Amino acid sequence: GAGVSQSPSNKVTEKGKDVELRCDPISGHTALYWYRQSLGQGLEFLIYFQGNSAPDKSGLPSDRFSAERTGGSVSTLTIQRTQQEDSAVYLCASSLAGRPPQETQYFGPGTRLLVL
Amino acid sequence: AQKVTQAQTEISVVEKEDVTLDCVYETRDTTYYLFWYKQPPSGELVFLIRRNSFDEQNEISGRYSWNFQKSTSSFNFTITASQVVDSAVYFCALSESSGGYNKLIFGAGTRLAVHP
Repeated sequence: GAGVSQSPSNKVTEKGKDVELRCDPISGHTALYWYRQSLGQGLEFLIYFQGNSAPDKSGLPSDRFSAERTGGSVSTLTIQRTQQEDSAVYLCASSLAGRPPQETQYFGPGTRLLVL
Repeated sequence: AQKVTQAQTEISVVEKEDVTLDCVYETRDTTYYLFWYKQPPSGELVFLIRRNSFDEQNEISGRYSWNFQKSTSSFNFTITASQVVDSAVYFCALSESSGGYNKLIFGAGTRLAVHP
């Protein structure tokens, strides 16, 4: 079946602009996660969704970052007033029910964001 | 605090050599899971294995094998008779139950280059 998909695959933007990154999880997966992969910081957790709710937003680096999920499916990560330090690969993952700690998370291909 | 350490930043081997990727973790939980993911140049994180804290049996899957030793908090990954297609960044990750959901803590990754 179809895996996790993300769009766009690459995004180049100018400092100060807003960007939206999209994630389509595996069908039937209720848990969705956003991670960021940047040089020097490795893979960092950003936010977790269970259905349309986000019980944990603790990894969002600033209030310029927000995310939503609709219909228990698609999620959008929005970065407002982008800064150069936001340049990274943003990875989305989904798992069946978010049941800790044993569920396997399946990752999408990521969105490579470059802020000029 | 939860932490995953992959001390080897880069490893370079010649095809058909065996190679072991080290992973050391820290956790206060008694119930936790460990994962290995592969990130080829395409960027997508590919799930390789999941192991729970109560199962210390080693596992073998084709050319891949994993050695889990709770006494040393290690979960090492060995590739036997390496091939060029094994070239990738490999991540070890830890998942705990205390957070109430399945947040992954990643190591910094080990870049493996297999040369013909």
